[in-house]
Amino acid sequence: ETGVTQTPRHLVMGMTNKKSLKCEQHLGHNAMYWYKQSAKKPLELMFVYNFKEQTENNSVPSRFSPECPNSSHLFLHLHTLQPEDSALYLCASSQGEAGEITEAFFGQGTRLTVV
Amino acid sequence: QQQVKQSPQSLIVQKGGISIINCAYENTAFDYFPWYQQFPGKGPALLIAIRPDVSEKKEGRFTISFNKSAKQFSLHIMDSQPGDSATYFCAASETGTASKLTFGTGTRLQVTL
Repeated sequence: ETGVTQTPRHLVMGMTNKKSLKCEQHLGHNAMYWYKQSAKKPLELMFVYNFKEQTENNSVPSRFSPECPNSSHLFLHLHTLQPEDSALYLCASSQGEAGEITEAFFGQGTRLTVV
Repeated sequence: QQQVKQSPQSLIVQKGGISIINCAYENTAFDYFPWYQQFPGKGPALLIAIRPDVSEKKEGRFTISFNKSAKQFSLHIMDSQPGDSATYFCAASETGTASKLTFGTGTRLQVTL
C-alpha cells in the first residue's frame, strides 16, 4: 500500500455520462497530481496542485475538470469524454514545495474505458 | 514538456544476467532523474534516483549511470531475477517544479528462468 488510494479501480462510462475519480493521500503531502497513462505512450502530467492551488494545467481538454478541496483529496470530474480518453488515470502526491523535489508516490490508478 | 526518450521498448534477460535500459533527455534544466518500476495492476513506484552532481548511484542490484555531457542516463539491474519482471520508466524534472515529472515511454522487462 503506497498511501495513495484511488477509487474506483475500474470505470466504464458512456460518452454522455458524468463521473468522478477520487484520490486520497494519507502521507501528509502538500502536492498532488493527475497523470494519464495510455498504452505505448509516456505518462502524461495533466494537473498539479500545490497546497490546494492548481499550479499546472498541461493543456488538458475542459472535459476533464480537477478539484482539490484540501491537501489530502483530489478529484477528477469527467464529462462528455471520447473513446480516446480511455486510459489508466494515476494520482500521485509528494512533499514538494517550491525549490524542492521529493519522491512522488503513486496510487494504483483508475482504469477508465469510454464506450 | 520536453521529451525523455527511452529504449529499448522491451527486454528479455535470463536470470542472473544484466538488464540495461537507456534514456536520453533534451532539457538541460532537468536536475532530478528517477527510475520508476511498475507491476501490472499497480501504480509506478520509485526505484532509484540520481542528481547530476554524481555520475553513478548504486542501491543493491540497481545502478544508475549518468552522463551529463551526453544528456543520457541508464539503469543497470545486476543479477536480474524473475521478480524484477515489470515495466520500468525513466523520468526527469527540474528543481522548483513541485516534482512535475516528464516520463519516458517505458521498458517492459521480462526475466526468464
